[in-house]
Amino acid sequence: TQLLEQSPQFLSIQEGENLTVYCNSSSVFSSLQWYRQEPGEGPVLLVTVVTGGEVKKLKRLTFQFGDARKDSSLHITAAQPGDTGLYLCAGGRYSSASKIIFGSGTRLSIRP
Amino acid sequence: KAGVTQTPRYLIKTRGQQVTLSCSPISGHRSVSWYQQTPGQGLQFLFEYFSETQRNKGNFPGRFSGRQFSNSRSEMNVSTLELGDSALYLCASSLPAGDGGELFFGEGSRLTVL
Repeated sequence: TQLLEQSPQFLSIQEGENLTVYCNSSSVFSSLQWYRQEPGEGPVLLVTVVTGGEVKKLKRLTFQFGDARKDSSLHITAAQPGDTGLYLCAGGRYSSASKIIFGSGTRLSIRP
Repeated sequence: KAGVTQTPRYLIKTRGQQVTLSCSPISGHRSVSWYQQTPGQGLQFLFEYFSETQRNKGNFPGRFSGRQFSNSRSEMNVSTLELGDSALYLCASSLPAGDGGELFFGEGSRLTVL
């Protein structure tokens, strides 16, 4: 059974601090997505990484795919209250949704 | 372009009733998948439809069913509702094969079973 573990599960930090969220698996994924979900809304796609070692930046968010394509990290620089939400990683082997495995999520709270 | 639209957004049912949820995917997307999200279990895959055919099904009882129409719109039905069916039901659309696994979610339908 494929399993994507995210850590930490919960994180509450002060505005302006940096943070890193991890997504780990023993399985190799052809691609990995990060989503952010706000209360009462559906997840919104942030980024897709497909190449081992790939790094993508989205403003203050930096996403990295592990060299072996088994893990990924999300780093936020100078966190802002607007970054608050549930961050989900999802790994896929094929394009079929059933082959997309979601992590349990990291709930991030940024205090003003 | 318009995003994924789910209706209704909120609904309350009692045990034993049934419910039908609707999803309109992004124009041009032919694949629709459904997920159940609960605080304890996270996002659980229900099923996926492509060109009116169910391609895959998650580990849910037969009370959960769905279908897709020729215009790619999809519905899911839950019969004989149980308290544990209370959840946020999310629909996601995606392009056909080769899309890299990217899903575009609707805002969800929050079901409460009393």
